Amino acid sequence: GNSVTQMEGPVTLSEEAFLTINCTYTATGYPSLFWYVQYPGEGLQLLLKATKADDKGSNKGFEATYRKETTSFHLEKGSVQVSDSAVYFCALLIKAAGNKLTFGGGTRVLVKP
Amino acid sequence: NAGVTQTPKFRVLKTGQSMTLLCAQDMNHEYMYWYRQDPGMGLRLIHYSVGEGTTAKGEVPDGYNVSRLKKQNFLLGLESAAPSQTSVYFCASKGKVTQNTEAFFGQGTRLTVV
Repeated sequence: GNSVTQMEGPVTLSEEAFLTINCTYTATGYPSLFWYVQYPGEGLQLLLKATKADDKGSNKGFEATYRKETTSFHLEKGSVQVSDSAVYFCALLIKAAGNKLTFGGGTRVLVKP
Repeated sequence: NAGVTQTPKFRVLKTGQSMTLLCAQDMNHEYMYWYRQDPGMGLRLIHYSVGEGTTAKGEVPDGYNVSRLKKQNFLLGLESAAPSQTSVYFCASKGKVTQNTEAFFGQGTRLTVV
């Protein structure tokens, strides 16, 4: 089956620190990969995505590269801000009936001033 | 520019009571989904729909029923609520074009069953 594994949080950082959240996946097929972000009290929003091997998704200073050889899609940001405090979800999708997203468990990130 | 709207936002039920959660989307999306979010477990798919009049089971369908009588609405029903159904419920919708289209989420419904 399909599954996504993320590092457990919470991750606590100081402002301007470097952030990495690890994500690995198993999939029966060739998935597209996504990072979603959930700010407090809100639903999930798409942060970035990559649809094929070696693609790099980027948005709001965040980046993630689709690594097929290591089945990974790690999220990075070079200098975090307090406003980046949120829960981050890695997800995969394989074109099939329902186009269903499979999510990891989420990683809570807290950035302190 | 509503996107995906869920009602209600909060609800407290007693064990054995029933209720319906409503999801409405105004983007003419084909696909709609109901997820539940529990601490440390991410989002788990309850039921989904690939178009008006269709529904299918997801990963954790037991204790829930759904209906998609109109393309824009996807209803999630709990016939006899149990404390294990205490969770935050999210609805999402997605266009049909390709597998790469973005899924849009509602703001969630926090349900407590006592």
